[in-house]
Parts: sequence; structure tokens; C-alpha cells
Amino acid sequence: AQSVSQHNHHVILSEAASLELGCNYSYGGTVNLFWYVQYPGQHLQLLLKYFSGDPLVKGIKGFEAEFIKSKFSFNLRKPSVQWSDTAEYFCAVPTSGTYKYIFGTGTRLKVLA
Amino acid sequence: DARVTQTPRHKVTEMGQEVTMRCQPILGHNTVFWYRQTMMQGLELLAYFRNRAPLDDSGMPKDRFSAEMPDATLATLKIQPSEPRDSAVYFCASGWVTGFANTGELFFGEGSRLTVL
Repeated sequence: AQSVSQHNHHVILSEAASLELGCNYSYGGTVNLFWYVQYPGQHLQLLLKYFSGDPLVKGIKGFEAEFIKSKFSFNLRKPSVQWSDTAEYFCAVPTSGTYKYIFGTGTRLKVLA
Repeated sequence: DARVTQTPRHKVTEMGQEVTMRCQPILGHNTVFWYRQTMMQGLELLAYFRNRAPLDDSGMPKDRFSAEMPDATLATLKIQPSEPRDSAVYFCASGWVTGFANTGELFFGEGSRLTVL
């Protein structure tokens, strides 16, 4: 079965530090990948997605992610984080052969002002 | 501005009581999902519907949970009887899901925070 894993459960950074959150998926075929963000007390919303083309995807609020097929990875990056980036970040993949979306366990990011 | 609407936003109830959560998906979306979020388990898929037909509810405890979609504008998740371990935030999400290589984004509601005492 397809799965997605996020290695970092909690990350604490100071403002202006660079961010990289790991995401690995298990499926080797055609794959589409998503990153969602959940700000404190809010619902999940889409940050960015990849489904074809340029493996470097740019999303909202300065986030980007790189799809590396050989490593089964889709890591999220931001060159300089802000206090307002404090949130939980979820990697997600639609499963092949069904219509389900599987979410990783999430990474809680805390940015210190 | 289209959005997924969930009610109630907060619910506190006593063990054994029935709880019904409602979701109005975005008009035109063909797939509706129910997720449960807890600190321990993260986001768990409970059930989902495509074109109102239930496709998979294997994530739900069958003896107490039920999910239905009586029409295209309403999805419900019912817990009867509720237990303290059901305390969580329940999210509904909808999307336009076209096939096996899904590129569609999911839109989430604000969630229903359930506390069972």
C-alpha cells in the first residue's frame, strides 16, 4: 500500500533561518504530491502541489518543494522563515487505484521571533 | 468564495450520547472525505464518498460510526453511542477527483471539535 512519511515531528527555528521538511513516499509509479499547512486553530489549506513538469514547485508564501523521483522524496523548503510560518505541515499523496488521499503524520514548526 | 462548511464547530457531550456532524461540500465537487485529527494519531481517513456513493469506510469503527451523503449538498458523520476516545477534531474535505492519477486539491472545512466527557 502507498504510504507517506515525514521524519521531523517537531522543528523549532529562529526567524530568518532556512527550513527544510522531509517527506518520503512509497509508490514508484506516477505520483502526485501535495503539501498542506494548518495554522493554529485553523483548517488545512494547500501550500503547493506537484503532478508533472518542473520538479521544483513554488507555492504560496515563499515555500517551494522539490520532487526527486530517485529518492522518493518531496521535501518542503523556505529560505527564510517568519514567525507567521508557525504551523503544522502535512505531506499528502493520492493513492493509486483509488480516490483516497493519504496524509503524513505532520511536522509541527515553531518559529521563534 | 466557495468553501466547505461544517457544523457544529464545537460540541461537548457526555459519553453515550449521539453526535451528528454535518458538512456542506463545495458545489460541483464529486468527492467528499471525513478525516479525524488527534494528537496521537494525526490525520486519519474515516470514510469517503464519490458522487455520493460510499467508497471506503474502513477507517471507521463500524459499530458506532456511520457516514452518509443524503444529497450532493450534505454529508453527515454520526457517532452513536459516543465515547471519550472519540474526542478529536473531525474534518470534512471535498475535491474534484477525476481518476487514478489524482491532481485535484482537497478543500477542508474548519472542523468540528468534539469533546466527549
